[in-house]
Amino acid sequence: DQQVKQNSPSLSVQEGRISILNCDYTNSMFDYFLWYKKYPAEGPTFLISISSIKDKNEDGRFTVFLNKSAKHLSLHIVPSQPGDSAVYFCAASAERNDMRFGAGTRLTVKP
Amino acid sequence: DGGITQSPKYLFRKEGQNVTLSCEQNLNHDAMYWYRQDPGQGLRLIYYSQIVNDFQKGDIAEGYSVSREKKESFPLTVTSAQKNPTAFYLCASSIAGGFTDTQYFGPGTRLTVL
Repeated sequence: DQQVKQNSPSLSVQEGRISILNCDYTNSMFDYFLWYKKYPAEGPTFLISISSIKDKNEDGRFTVFLNKSAKHLSLHIVPSQPGDSAVYFCAASAERNDMRFGAGTRLTVKP
Repeated sequence: DGGITQSPKYLFRKEGQNVTLSCEQNLNHDAMYWYRQDPGQGLRLIYYSQIVNDFQKGDIAEGYSVSREKKESFPLTVTSAQKNPTAFYLCASSIAGGFTDTQYFGPGTRLTVL
């Protein structure tokens, strides 16, 4: 059962524009959400997180939005840069007992 | 410099053979994790350990075994009982357990069973 879904396997945007990566989840018990970024031949690296008590968290060019009623999470990257080209994984945790990952979205930022 | 190492990067084995994947960390982290990634799927948790000499099964532990004799090391054995072992395996660690601490991942081992 895929409790965390990233329905877009790939996304292509122009440098300088906004990238929006989406993630949907089914388990209402999830209370902590993370985004990881993965370059080829490397392990995923932590990017940004958000607790369910918030609806937005910002870190530089990266902002994560959480809509609990819709069970939807999104990552905004503004402005997008070619170095942002990577696979982005959404992950969710329920009461610190587990971690579920989405299948990932491959972002390509074109110069 | 600190980090997590996984070796080897690529591993080939014949069907029916057990194989052990190495994971070492020098971050002084208490918790360590093993994930499996298959095409089109997210990372799935195999086993995790929150402290030395203790570990718990994840979602897909069948056909795998682990040990945690040292804080730095968390080897994963893929046994012949694992029905579909060909996959990309990722090891991770975090300061403490509980899944809300940031996990630091190794570069992964791609296992191919022939």
